[in-house]
Amino acid sequence: QQQVKQSPQSLIVQKGGISIINCAYENTAFDYFPWYQQFPGKGPALLIAIRPDVSEKKEGRFTISFNKSAKQFSLHIMDSQPGDSATYFCAASKNTGNQFYFGTGTSLTVIP
Amino acid sequence: NAGVMQNPRHLVRRRGQEARLRCSPMKGHSHVYWYRQLPEEGLKFMVYLQKENIIDESGMPKERFSAEFPKEGPSILRIQQVVRGDSAAYFCASSPQGRHEQFFGPGTRLTVL
Repeated sequence: QQQVKQSPQSLIVQKGGISIINCAYENTAFDYFPWYQQFPGKGPALLIAIRPDVSEKKEGRFTISFNKSAKQFSLHIMDSQPGDSATYFCAASKNTGNQFYFGTGTSLTVIP
Repeated sequence: NAGVMQNPRHLVRRRGQEARLRCSPMKGHSHVYWYRQLPEEGLKFMVYLQKENIIDESGMPKERFSAEFPKEGPSILRIQQVVRGDSAAYFCASSPQGRHEQFFGPGTRLTVL
């Protein structure tokens, strides 16, 4: 059973556009929601993360929006650049020292 | 501060051989996690260890797979009698005590011939 559902599977965006990736979860015990960026042949790199006590967190061009009642969260990449082309994974966990449940990933391509 | 280190980066084994994957966590991190990633899929949790203890192995296959994190040295993920279905990228992550963040290594790509 997929604990975290991610969409879309792939996304093509023009340079300068906004990339939006969505995730949904069921387990209300989750209290930490990170996003990871992965380039081919590399390990996932932590991009940004949010706790359920806030509805939005912004770091540079990356913003997480969190909707606790809908059990959904999304990653927005503003002013998307070709260098942002990568696979993005959302994840969720409960408490510290626990496994992450990952979404299935979104392959983002930013066209120059 | 060096990141999470994994070796080897690539490993080729024939069916029936053993695979040993090593992971050195970031300095100061006492928690180690192993995940497996199949092509075109997300990461699946395998096991969570602290020094000399397995905390959660709920994602580990019941047979052929084992993991350890000794008092001294790296964490080891061991796969005995490998089969073609074990071909995947294996990632190690570490986190500091009391924190959520997990930092991933570059992975070991295992190919079983």
